[in-house]
Amino acid sequence: AQSVTQLDSQVPVFEEAPVELRCNYSSSVSVYLFWYVQYPNQGLQLLLKYLSGSTLVESINGFEAEFNKSQTSFHLRKPSVHISDTAEYFCAVSETGGSYIPTFGRGTSLIVHP
Amino acid sequence: GAVVSQHPSRVICKSGTSVKIECRSLDFQATTMFWYRQFPKQSLMLMATSNEGSKATYEQGVEKDKFLINHASLTLSTLTVTSAHPEDSSFYICSARDRGPIGYTFGSGTRLTVV
Repeated sequence: AQSVTQLDSQVPVFEEAPVELRCNYSSSVSVYLFWYVQYPNQGLQLLLKYLSGSTLVESINGFEAEFNKSQTSFHLRKPSVHISDTAEYFCAVSETGGSYIPTFGRGTSLIVHP
Repeated sequence: GAVVSQHPSRVICKSGTSVKIECRSLDFQATTMFWYRQFPKQSLMLMATSNEGSKATYEQGVEKDKFLINHASLTLSTLTVTSAHPEDSSFYICSARDRGPIGYTFGSGTRLTVV
């Protein structure tokens, strides 16, 4: 069975600073990896995903994540954050060849201060 | 892109009453929908998988008689919280597969408060 660990429950950062949200996963088979963002009282929106190919994936709003198989990690990064990036971020893993239903981490609250 | 509409966004009900939450896929057919529960500052907990035209598959520990799921059409799944109690207060989110086995679109969630 797969599992996801998000090491930081909360990450405070100043506007325009870089940020990294950490995610590690555990699985006995190949996986797909996802990052979702959730704004207050809203559902989840897909930020980016790794399915295959290039291990570095990017989103349209400046976030990127790198799949590291040896370290079983999929950390999310942004070189310069904005106030509007304040939200809850969830890492998720889905095992290939199975039900594909994603398992979510506990979430990391990104708080961007002016 | 794919859109999933969830209603209501907020509901307050009295203890002992039932509440129905709707999840609709607006521009695609969803043979499979999922219902999650989210506690404050915690992750999403999968409650059940809803398949059109058949019984839902519930996760271990989820009471089938309390959380009734109906998926009568390819665009609508409903979750009914029966005889609600304050401990059922939570944020409920649905999602639907829209692009093959790994494409998921989420509804905007329902904040249920039982008083």
